[in-house]
Amino acid sequence: DGGITQSPKYLFRKEGQNVTLSCEQNLNHDAMYWYRQDPGQGLRLIYYSQIVNDFQKGDIAEGYSVSREKKESFPLTVTSAQKNPTAFYLCASNNLGDYEQYFGPGTRLTVT
Amino acid sequence: DQQVKQNSPSLSVQEGRISILNCDYTNSMFDYFLWYKKYPAEGPTFLISISSIKDKNEDGRFTVFLNKSAKHLSLHIVPSQPGDSAVYFCAALGLQGAQKLVFGQGTRLTINP
Repeated sequence: DGGITQSPKYLFRKEGQNVTLSCEQNLNHDAMYWYRQDPGQGLRLIYYSQIVNDFQKGDIAEGYSVSREKKESFPLTVTSAQKNPTAFYLCASNNLGDYEQYFGPGTRLTVT
Repeated sequence: DQQVKQNSPSLSVQEGRISILNCDYTNSMFDYFLWYKKYPAEGPTFLISISSIKDKNEDGRFTVFLNKSAKHLSLHIVPSQPGDSAVYFCAALGLQGAQKLVFGQGTRLTINP
């Protein structure tokens, strides 16, 4: 059945290392999004992509990079330039023209 | 600048009573509003939405009210059930330009037996 998968569920890294979070969807959605959630805060948009090979910065893109080589995949790289990388990362997708976004289960990244 | 605000971080309600979650926004360009429900360590799930041309939308136990002049929306859950205990996020969307959701900080709802 269709859905969004994010792996792994929990990820631990040492400070100074880049890490890539996976997001795959088989819903045939055009658009994909990456959000970050911190305690007591709402979801903040990192990057989004409305079409293959194109993506735009969200509100907090500094220290992150993405690629969209395939429609179903939108990996997020957290680079060593990200000052506070420890957070819960959520991937979402939808079709252009649809307002609801569908979310994956999330990846909790801990950097020490 | 927080464009969507949920000023109550938490709310506790007795089972069977009404839960009312509030959300305020500042951007008059928002055209569409959504509520999401989130359990710990899971992704949010869509609950209900409302267009700015309406003032009420109902789906089972869930009703969303929109007051455009006050830039305020609320989610009513009645009757409240233990499974409703979760964090609720409101989100807003402008239909012009890039359609990006803007989220509030969330309200943790606890339903007490």
